[in-house]
Amino acid sequence: DAGVIQSPRHEVTEMGQEVTLRCKPISGHNSLFWYRQTMMRGLELLIYFNNNVPIDDSGMPEDRFSAKMPNASFSTLKIQPSEPRDSAVYFCASNSYNEQFFGPGTRLTVL
Amino acid sequence: GQQLNQSPQSMFIQEGEDVSMNCTSSSIFNTWLWYKQDPGEGPVLLIALYKAGELTSNGRLTAQFGITRKDSFLNISASIPSDVGIYFCAGLRRGSGNTGKLIFGQGTTLQVKP
Repeated sequence: DAGVIQSPRHEVTEMGQEVTLRCKPISGHNSLFWYRQTMMRGLELLIYFNNNVPIDDSGMPEDRFSAKMPNASFSTLKIQPSEPRDSAVYFCASNSYNEQFFGPGTRLTVL
Repeated sequence: GQQLNQSPQSMFIQEGEDVSMNCTSSSIFNTWLWYKQDPGEGPVLLIALYKAGELTSNGRLTAQFGITRKDSFLNISASIPSDVGIYFCAGLRRGSGNTGKLIFGQGTTLQVKP
């Protein structure tokens, strides 16, 4: 199995631009999670889906952030407009029962 | 916010030494997971624990699910340079159902001196 796949691995953009992060969960996993990791705040859960339905988006920092899961094999996290304080590593993870597997992350830098 | 207290925050040890770290909470957990994160990579699952008192090994790593269900421990024996990284505990709190929503510790940064 290829594991959780994320793209791009690195993204550098200018403030105000739209950013779209992509994730392909492990086949057969029915839960998908988006996290953000920074030195200051550690690992934060942004939103998670169960069977493609958003269950808890209380961690999404602002309306500038949105996430979708149109089907079981694909999810996006969008930031529009982006701001420098959004710079972080964004992880996608998927679950098999109670074991959660992470992707390699997308390192986002907003200038 | 995070509700797991992980300690120590960092460790700097000599190669060959044993390492211990732990996570505690005021809440009861049904599942404990231990992850390792290398620089520039995502956390990788090391060990999963499902029952109070359970002791599970993965090579030189041993983890235990505390009897009270409010804590967990990870031990690394005979450390080697490639053990360097950040170790995270994570738990699935009782009452979370099948959400899979984990609570994470703050991480323990391990450095090993050859």
